[in-house]
Amino acid sequence: GIQVEQSPPDLILQEGANSTLRCNFSDSVNNLQWFHQNPWGQLINLFYIPSGTKQNGRLSATTVATERYSLLYISSSQTTGSGVYFCAVEAQYNFNKFYFGSGTKLNVKP
Amino acid sequence: DTGVSQNPRHKITKRGQNVTFRCDPISEHNRLYWYRQTLGQGPEFLTYFQNEAQLEKSRLLSDRFSAERPKGSFSTLEIQRTEQGDSAMYLCASSLELRGNGYTFGSGTRLTVV
Repeated sequence: GIQVEQSPPDLILQEGANSTLRCNFSDSVNNLQWFHQNPWGQLINLFYIPSGTKQNGRLSATTVATERYSLLYISSSQTTGSGVYFCAVEAQYNFNKFYFGSGTKLNVKP
Repeated sequence: DTGVSQNPRHKITKRGQNVTFRCDPISEHNRLYWYRQTLGQGPEFLTYFQNEAQLEKSRLLSDRFSAERPKGSFSTLEIQRTEQGDSAMYLCASSLELRGNGYTFGSGTRLTVV
């Protein structure tokens, strides 16, 4: 199956700081989503972004499909943004399942 | 759109008992997925339904696991003769058939086998 690598694995930010999370994948993808998993386990969809750039409030994401990576930008981080951020991809040759990375665990301190 | 609903939220069971989880997808979504997530890891694919047909099963889904989606609506995941290694978060997701559509996940069922 497709390999998904996320970096960094852990990140500590002071409230108000900016950061970039990276997701590399090993093959062509049909779908890429960024999720935020809150402390209760809920996976919240942040972006559906198989290519291009999207923005939603203090978050934005860019996927460069030809170079097989995606970036999630967090600006002016808030404590409510703590949790684990996952990148998940759906391979172009098998669009029936998502492959998840191991996530970036973010802790935003007040 | 009420989202994807999963019940129960938490389940504690003794080793050897059977458990069943339920997932109600978004009503217009014809695709339904089950994933399993263990501590510190990303979710892993278990199985996938298109309408009522179970089209793909992971090797993670041993003979003790069975999933159904009668009438293409809600789905159930049953684990027979639970083992401690089955302790995990079980996540359900749904999507539309159109290729490249995004997934919506439920809140999950956290299973603890003691």
